[in-house]
Formats: sequence, structure tokens, C-alpha cells
Amino acid sequence: GQQVMQIPQYQHVQEGEDFTTYCNSSTTLSNIQWYKQRPGGHPVFLIQLVKSGEVKKQKRLTFQFGEAKKNSSLHITATQTTDVGTYFCAGGGNNAGNMLTFGGGTRLMVKP
Amino acid sequence: DVKVTQSSRYLVKRTGEKVFLECVQDMDHENMFWYRQDPGLGLRLIYFSYDVKMKEKGDIPEGYSVSREKKERFSLILESASTNQTSMYLCASSLGGAGGVDGYTFGSGTRLTVV
Repeated sequence: GQQVMQIPQYQHVQEGEDFTTYCNSSTTLSNIQWYKQRPGGHPVFLIQLVKSGEVKKQKRLTFQFGEAKKNSSLHITATQTTDVGTYFCAGGGNNAGNMLTFGGGTRLMVKP
Repeated sequence: DVKVTQSSRYLVKRTGEKVFLECVQDMDHENMFWYRQDPGLGLRLIYFSYDVKMKEKGDIPEGYSVSREKKERFSLILESASTNQTSMYLCASSLGGAGGVDGYTFGSGTRLTVV
């Protein structure tokens, strides 16, 4: 079945440093979505990418979808303490019902 | 704003008890999902449903069942709770396939402890 791997599992950064998390699928994806889960909270939808090579920005966050639609990345420029949390990617593909498969998440910790 | 409401934030149950976790969404979403979240294991899908009275097994359905008698409500049932079912349970809903344009909307979660 479809698998979505996400690295790294954990990342500590100093406030102001950049951060990137990577997502790789074993199969071609129809779309990729990104979610953020604050400590003690629940995952919240951030964005969706559907086109090959697509790049989207939300303030300091940049999301990319690979040309082959099998990988994606989330880059945060100049992290802030408010960026703390776990970031999940989730890919849609040819599984039953075309539902999402979640990556394992990357937990970001920011030192002030 | 779409809301997904889970009936309990914290729950403590005894081994062998039958446990019901309730989830209600208010935006007429066809799709509903139950996940459990454990440290280091990410989100694991237990069951999902695309329509009333319809259910499909996810990756870890053993020890669980579900019920969807009405479109807005999706219940997770632990037939006989065991300590290895101690976890955070998250309900989600969505409109359309593969998360739809607005993604999954998650509830706040139920932290279940089985003693």
C-alpha cells in the first residue's frame, strides 16, 4: 500500500534559524496536504498542493510539491517560538477511496 | 467554521469495559475518520466512513468497531477495553476525496486511559 515517510522525526533549532521537513511517498500522489499540531492540540490543516512542481507560500512558510509528485517539503524561514509543534504531511493517491495517508510527522522545537 | 466535536476530552475506563467515543460534525461532510495517536507512531487510521451506515477498516481496526447511523455522527466502540488501547483518539471529517480542498478537520481529541 501507499506509504508516506517524513524526516526528520525531531528537530531542535535556535530561534531565527531556518527549518525544513521532507516528505516522501512510495507512489505518485494526487495531492499533498500539510498540517500543524501544536503541543496539546490537534492537527490543523495548513495547505494543499496538487500540481507537479507547485510552490506555495504562507508568510514565512514555503511548501513545495516535487516534479514527480512523490515528494514534498515545508520550509520555515527564521523560526519563531510560535512555530513549535508537529508538522504532518498527508498524501492522497490511489488507495481505497482516495483518502489521505499521513506521514509520521516532524516535531519542531525552538529555543528562544 | 466547521466544527468536529468529541464528546470527552479525558476518559478513564477499566479493562474489559465497553467504551463509546462519540464524534459529531456540523458541516454535512460525507467522510469521517477515527485515528489514534501515540508518541513516535504518528496518526494511525482505525476506521473511516464515506456515508451513512458505511464503514471501512483502516490500518489498525483490531479491537475496535464503528457506527454511523447519521451523517453527522461517527462513533468508535472499544468492545472490551485493554490497557494497550490507552491512547489519544482523534476524529476527523472532510468534504470530498483525499482531504478535499479544505483538508481534514480534526476534533480536539479524547485521551483515553484504560486501567
